[in-house]
Amino acid sequence: KAGVTQTPRYLIKTRGQQVTLSCSPISGHRSVSWYQQTPGQGLQFLFEYFSETQRNKGNFPGRFSGRQFSNSRSEMNVSTLELGDSALYLCASSLEPSGGYNEQFFGPGTRLTVL
Amino acid sequence: KQEVTQIPAALSVPEGENLVLNCSFTDSAIYNLQWFRQDPGKGLTSLLLIQSSQREQTSGRLNASLDKSSGRSTLYIAASQPGDSATYLCAVISGNTGKLIFGQGTTLQVKP
Repeated sequence: KAGVTQTPRYLIKTRGQQVTLSCSPISGHRSVSWYQQTPGQGLQFLFEYFSETQRNKGNFPGRFSGRQFSNSRSEMNVSTLELGDSALYLCASSLEPSGGYNEQFFGPGTRLTVL
Repeated sequence: KQEVTQIPAALSVPEGENLVLNCSFTDSAIYNLQWFRQDPGKGLTSLLLIQSSQREQTSGRLNASLDKSSGRSTLYIAASQPGDSATYLCAVISGNTGKLIFGQGTTLQVKP
């Protein structure tokens, strides 16, 4: 069974640009969550999608947005990039929404560098 | 607000040693606690999941315990190997928010 996949693996952008990251969950998993990981702040929750609906949102500005498609694949978008958005963005999938007892499985991440 | 703390931040041990990593959380209202491993620049690998009603879980040389009442979990690694070198992260799913809250991690180095 294939794991969680994320594309692209690496991205270099300049300030002010926008970026879209993609995540394909494990087959059969319907919940997708996104996290930002930086050396200073550690792992922080961005948002969670289940059945194409955002169920939960972390404390990030509106520049960070996401969506989920009917096949459970998810995308997150960051507009007007800032230097501080440089981070490893991780996607996780689970069978059911994370507010239950489900194990989370993570992808390899997308390393975003903003110059 | 749920906060997760891991001590120590870094640990270096000789190969073959048994070791314990600690995780504490401030709010006992959790659904479960999960231990992850992260290699440099890579994603997270799930090691063990303990449901809130459970006391411990075991997988190979790993054993994780959970004491909800005291807000603590430990990850025990037996007979450590150089391949165990990585950052170990503890995370809880908060019962109030349904969000996965991570600790800052413990970076382990096992020397041959």
